[in-house]
Formats: sequence, C-alpha cells, structure tokens
Amino acid sequence: RKEVEQDPGPFNVPEGATVAFNCTYSNSASQSFFWYRQDCRKEPKLLMSVYSSGNEDGRFTAQLNRASQYISLLIRDSKLSDSATYLCAVNIVNAGGTSYGKLTFGQGTILTVHP
Amino acid sequence: EAGVAQSPRYKIIEKRQSVAFWCNPISGHATLYWYQQILGQGPKLLIQFQNNGVVDDSQLPKDRFSAERLKGVDSTLKIQPAKLEDSAVYLCASSLWDSYEQYFGPGTRLTVT
Repeated sequence: RKEVEQDPGPFNVPEGATVAFNCTYSNSASQSFFWYRQDCRKEPKLLMSVYSSGNEDGRFTAQLNRASQYISLLIRDSKLSDSATYLCAVNIVNAGGTSYGKLTFGQGTILTVHP
Repeated sequence: EAGVAQSPRYKIIEKRQSVAFWCNPISGHATLYWYQQILGQGPKLLIQFQNNGVVDDSQLPKDRFSAERLKGVDSTLKIQPAKLEDSAVYLCASSLWDSYEQYFGPGTRLTVT
C-alpha cells in the first residue's frame, strides 16, 4: 500500500459545481496534513493545512478523518480558475516516532472546471 | 518577501553528462528540501537539510546524485552521470525550523536525451 494515495481523476466539472477529493494515508501516527495546488508547469503552492477539527477558507473546506485515515478537500461553487492539480501531503513518522518536517505527497488529483 | 529561488529553469543534457542545480531558500528558513517530480506524479523527496546538516537522504540515489548546503543557506544538487530516467522537474522547497509548511521554488525542468 502506498503511504499516500489519491484518485488521480481527472475530475471534469461545470462552473458552480461542488467537488470533493479524498486522500488516504497509511501511517496512523501522522499528525500534519496539507493540501497543495499545482498549476500546469508550475510549482506546488500551499493551499491549506488540515486541522483535526476541520477548517474552511472561503469556498474550500478541508477535513480529517483519523479513524479511516483520510483527508478531504471540498470545493464549492467551482471557478474556471480552480482548474489545477491538487496534491495532498502527509508528514512521515519514522520508526522512532519522529518526522523532522518530512512530507510525503500523493500523486495529485487533476481538476478541470469547464464553462 | 522573496520566495525560493532556483536556477536554471530549464536544462537539456545528454545521458552520461553531469548537471547541477542551485537553490536559495526563503530568508530565515532553516530547512531545505530537494524533490524530484516526474510527470504525472507527486514530488518525491530526495534530500532534506536542517541548516547545513543532512536530516534525510534515504531516497537519494547516491551513486549518481549529490547535494550540499555548505553555509546553511543556498544549496546545490548534482547529477553525475545523468540517465534518461532522471528527466523530471527538480523542486527545491524550504520551511521554518519547526514547521511542516513547505514553500516551493519554480523548479528546474531537466530533459536527458
């Protein structure tokens, strides 16, 4: 099983739609979770951190389900400009219980929003 | 605030040649990471520095890849000799000492022919 897995998509949705992505992780000791956005031929940019209680930033909502070991990203009222690849990232905890800031990324989910 | 700087942005070399990439992190960021991103995949960590010390290089192919961060600020990543499968984008990222929030540079797109 991969350490971090995402449905690669692509997800094709019309403007105004609500779309959700999931990301599963294998290490139950992981504590920090993030969503990054990557535009075509650009670098990943931090979109939002994922907190235990869930968090919202405008049209974006991130949630964590520790029991099932997945995080989710919900985008409401999709815009054309939301078209991108969305990467989840999870901190890696080694056998000694430390992680030193190391993140493992999923392969990304491609989102295309069309008119 | 200036972001992570990388150069060159693009590089085309023939297999068995050598190449070097440079990265300057965000000012004050003690931790620096080099990632390899192959088309269609997420970034894969190659090496992590904390100041000028290596924290993790478990996924660095040490027979051909090397990296250094001598003064704890900028860093270089070298490939010698390059193979076709090294064609990828090489991303540098940095973060504060006690943070998992990483900020990426624009990357170097390497093509090995």
